[in-house]
Amino acid sequence: AQSVTQPDIHITVSEGASLELRCNYSYGATPYLFWYVQSPGQGLQLLLKYFSGDTLVQGIKGFEAEFKRSQSSFNLRKPSVHWSDAAEYFCAVGGFTGGGNKLTFGTGTQLKVEL
Amino acid sequence: DSGVTQTPKHLITATGQRVTLRCSPRSGDLSVYWYQQSLDQGLQFLIQYYNGEERAKGNILERFSAQQFPDLHSELNLSSLELGDSALYFCASSMGGSDEQFFGPGTRLTVL
Repeated sequence: AQSVTQPDIHITVSEGASLELRCNYSYGATPYLFWYVQSPGQGLQLLLKYFSGDTLVQGIKGFEAEFKRSQSSFNLRKPSVHWSDAAEYFCAVGGFTGGGNKLTFGTGTQLKVEL
Repeated sequence: DSGVTQTPKHLITATGQRVTLRCSPRSGDLSVYWYQQSLDQGLQFLIQYYNGEERAKGNILERFSAQQFPDLHSELNLSSLELGDSALYFCASSMGGSDEQFFGPGTRLTVL
């Protein structure tokens, strides 16, 4: 069964500081990996995705993530955080199994940005 | 704006009632997915439809059902509602059966 662990429930960073959100996954084959962001009262916005190829993927809003197969990780990074980045971030794993394509989400990391 | 629309935005109803949530996928997308987000369960996959046919099922209760119509919009029917069904219900769509999913704004269901 596929699963995702986001070990940090809450993270607080200062504006302008760098950010790394951790994500570990469990999946039997080559996974599809995603990061989504959810602002209060909003839906989920796709930040970036990894399907195959280059293990460092670039996304929107200056975010990037690195796929490390040996560590079963897909950590999200941003070199300089802006106050508008405050939101909840979800890592998800998906794959084409049994004819379907469900996403399994982590429990999320709530990011607070101090000005 | 993802291009996925969901109606209504909010729904307040009583226990034992039945409701229908509606989703229109992005133009050109053939797959529709339903997810439930609650405080205790997090984001849970419910069901996927691809071009009108059920493709994958998650931990969807028997009281819940869904369908995808020929124009590709989808409806999620929730019946015999319980307090624990209060949650945010998201619809997502993708072009094929295994691409990235784009989420709608959600329907917040409150069962009193």
